Amino acid sequence: SQTIHQWPATLVQPVGSPLSLECTVEGTSNPNLYWYRQAAGRGLQLLFYSVGIGQISSEVPQNLSASRPQDRQFILSSKKLLLSDSGFYLCAWRGTGVSSPLHFGNGTRLTVT
Amino acid sequence: GNSVTQMEGPVTLSEEAFLTINCTYTATGYPSLFWYVQYPGEGLQLLLKATKADDKGSNKGFEATYRKETTSFHLEKGSVQVSDSAVYFCALSNTGNQFYFGTGTSLTVIP
Repeated sequence: SQTIHQWPATLVQPVGSPLSLECTVEGTSNPNLYWYRQAAGRGLQLLFYSVGIGQISSEVPQNLSASRPQDRQFILSSKKLLLSDSGFYLCAWRGTGVSSPLHFGNGTRLTVT
Repeated sequence: GNSVTQMEGPVTLSEEAFLTINCTYTATGYPSLFWYVQYPGEGLQLLLKATKADDKGSNKGFEATYRKETTSFHLEKGSVQVSDSAVYFCALSNTGNQFYFGTGTSLTVIP
């Protein structure tokens, strides 16, 4: 069966520090991969998605970036964090086809201080 | 374009009450529809889905029917439990790679 791993679970970082969040998927090949952010008490904001290695689509211009160095690995990065980057970051994967659901990781709670 | 509109929360119910969370959508073509549940501090979990008109998705006592004529996918449960307290998201998938989520409805069930 397929599983998705996301780490760390929680992170506290000072303003201006770098960020690296990692997500890996097991049990499937060539998944579509997604990064979402959820602000406190808010809905989901799509940040990036990828349909293949090295292919990244950005939905929101900001100081975050994403990379997909391997088929089942998706990394979210920042060179300098802002206070507004605080939130709950969720990685997700799905297979191909309109009926294929998104499968989410357990999320990373990021607090920028 | 594609969009999902979900009823505003929060919703508070007594245990064993009937639950309805309304969801309507806008889409062209033949989207698939989903309900997700998010427990505090966790990621979203797929609750149920329906892939064509008149399909009924069901899981753990929850049901939703894909109504193309009213562009709706309302979530229902006949008797809620305290353990159902969570945030529920309606979502749509259409051609392309994106999902479209509603804003979420927070449900609290009190004993």
